[in-house]
Order: sequence, then C-alpha cells, then structure tokens
Amino acid sequence: AQSVTQPDIHITVSEGASLELRCNYSYGATPYLFWYVQSPGQGLQLLLKYFSGDTLVQGIKGFEAEFKRSQSSFNLRKPSVHWSDAAEYFCAVGARYSSASKIIFGSGTRLSIRP
Amino acid sequence: DSGVTQTPKHLITATGQRVTLRCSPRSGDLSVYWYQQSLDQGLQFLIQYYNGEERAKGNILERFSAQQFPDLHSELNLSSLELGDSALYFCASSVDEVPDEQYFGPGTRLTVT
Repeated sequence: AQSVTQPDIHITVSEGASLELRCNYSYGATPYLFWYVQSPGQGLQLLLKYFSGDTLVQGIKGFEAEFKRSQSSFNLRKPSVHWSDAAEYFCAVGARYSSASKIIFGSGTRLSIRP
Repeated sequence: DSGVTQTPKHLITATGQRVTLRCSPRSGDLSVYWYQQSLDQGLQFLIQYYNGEERAKGNILERFSAQQFPDLHSELNLSSLELGDSALYFCASSVDEVPDEQYFGPGTRLTVT
C-alpha cells in the first residue's frame, strides 16, 4: 500500500534562510508525487508535481523538489524563504490501480518564519 | 481562486442530524474528490467520482455517501452525525481520472454539537 511520511511536524526558519522539507514515500512502482501548500483558512494549492523525466522539478513561488528513487524521497526546497511562505505543506503520492486512482497525503509540516 | 466552489462555507448542526455539502468543479474538470481534514486524522481521502461514476474509495464511513450529477457538480451527504465528524471537508477537481493535479475548493467547516 502507498504511504507518505513527513517526519517534521513543525519547522521554524529565519526569513531569507534556505528551507528543506522532507518527504518519504512508500510505493511499489514509480509514483506520482506532489507538494501542496495550505495557508490558514484556505484550501490546498499545488506547488509542484513529479510524474517522470527530470528528477529535479521546479514549482511556483520559487520552490523546487528532487525525486530520489534510491531514498524514496521527494524533498521540497527553497533557497530563500519569505514571511509569506508561512503555511502548512503537504507531500502527496498518487497511484493508479486498474480503473481507480487516489492520492494519499502526508500529515503535513507547519512552517513558521522568524522575522 | 482555484475555480472550485463549495457551499456552505460553515455549517453547525447537532448530533444525529444529516447534512449535504455541495461542490462545483472547475469548468472542464470531470473528476471530483472529497477529503476530510481534522486535527487528529489529518487530510483523509474519502471518495472520487469521474464523469458521474464512482472511481475510488478511501476512508469513507458508511454513514457518508456522495454522488456526482450530470452537470458534474457533486454532493457529499453526511448522516447520523457524531461529534467526531466535525472537520473541514474539501472538494477538489481534476481534468481526468488519473491522479494528476487537483484543484481544491475553500472547504466547508462542519461543526457538530
């Protein structure tokens, strides 16, 4: 069965510092991988996705993520965070089973920004 | 604005009652997904419909049901409500039935008292 682990519940970084949010997945084949962001009181917004091809994917708002099959990881990075990046971040893995498909979300990592 | 609309925004009801949450997907999207988000369970996938047919089922209780209508809007029915059903319920839509990019609505906050 597919699963997603986000080991960090809460991370605080200083504005302007670099950021890396960890995500590990479990899936038997090549997964579809996603990162979503949820601002307080809002729905989720897709930051980036990986289906195949180049393992380093660029997303919106200056975010990028790298798919590492050997480590079953899909970590999210940003070189310099802004106060507006404070939000909850969700990693998700998708799978296709016959005629059904679903996406499993990790438990989320809450990002706080220190001024 | 994702283009996905959900009504109502907030709902307060009593235990044992029944409620209906409504979702209109983005124009052109054929798949609708329902999720429940609570503090203790996180974001849980409930069910997916594609072009009117059920496609995938997650952790959806038997007291809950959903359907997608010919105009592609979807409704999630929650019955015999319990205190533990209090949560944010999100609807998302995507173009196709595969697990591609999903667009999330703003959610319906359900409070069961």
